[in-house]
Amino acid sequence: QVQLVESGGGVVQPGGSLRLSCAASGFTFSNYGIHWVRQAPGKGLEWVAFIRYDAGNKYYADSVKGRFTISRDTSENTVYLQMTSLRPEDTAVYYCAKKGTPRYDEGDYFDYWGRGSLVTVSS
Amino acid sequence: DIVMTQSPDSLAVSLGERATINCKSSQSFLHSSNNKNPLAWYQQKPGQPPKLLIYWASTRESGVPDRFIGSGSGTDFTLTISSLQAEDVAVYFCQQYYSTPFTFGPGTKVDIE
Repeated sequence: QVQLVESGGGVVQPGGSLRLSCAASGFTFSNYGIHWVRQAPGKGLEWVAFIRYDAGNKYYADSVKGRFTISRDTSENTVYLQMTSLRPEDTAVYYCAKKGTPRYDEGDYFDYWGRGSLVTVSS
Repeated sequence: DIVMTQSPDSLAVSLGERATINCKSSQSFLHSSNNKNPLAWYQQKPGQPPKLLIYWASTRESGVPDRFIGSGSGTDFTLTISSLQAEDVAVYFCQQYYSTPFTFGPGTKVDIE
């Protein structure tokens, strides 16, 4: 069965860095793009970043562009989100989510989600 | 950016009754490759990640009960729960995946009356 497991969250001071990991299993990882979506405490969902199945394209929300970097390691079936220059407003649960369709196929809905990793930015 | 709005913010419905959630986008979208609306609905229960219910505006995800019905086109979309069950208490979000940044509606909380 498809599984996505996030790790790497924690408490960090403003201006600090963290790297989140999303370990994937149960599907052909190299065929699917992966998204990161975040949810601030008690708030709605905000799409953060996407990496294409072959890492050929990466997209970011304006709120994180230039500070966050998404990458993937096919040998480890893992997607990473490197977060730098963190701000209090980055405090959220970060979910990784699998793109609903393979490769170039249209359909950036999220058919499987991890349970999330909490990032708290506070002094 | 495409802005998604939802109404109402919350609603309470009796068990077995119909619940209707509306989602409106700031612009119309349609994938030219398949002539479908790139609109998804998710259900989120407390302490859990969102769960995909509907994609392409009206296609039910595998395993989702048929009481969940997605409809609409252009800029106006609807999620209908035809006969509310206790386990449907949750927050529901719509999402457009026509263009980045992919955006979500603010959510609609559904409770039992």
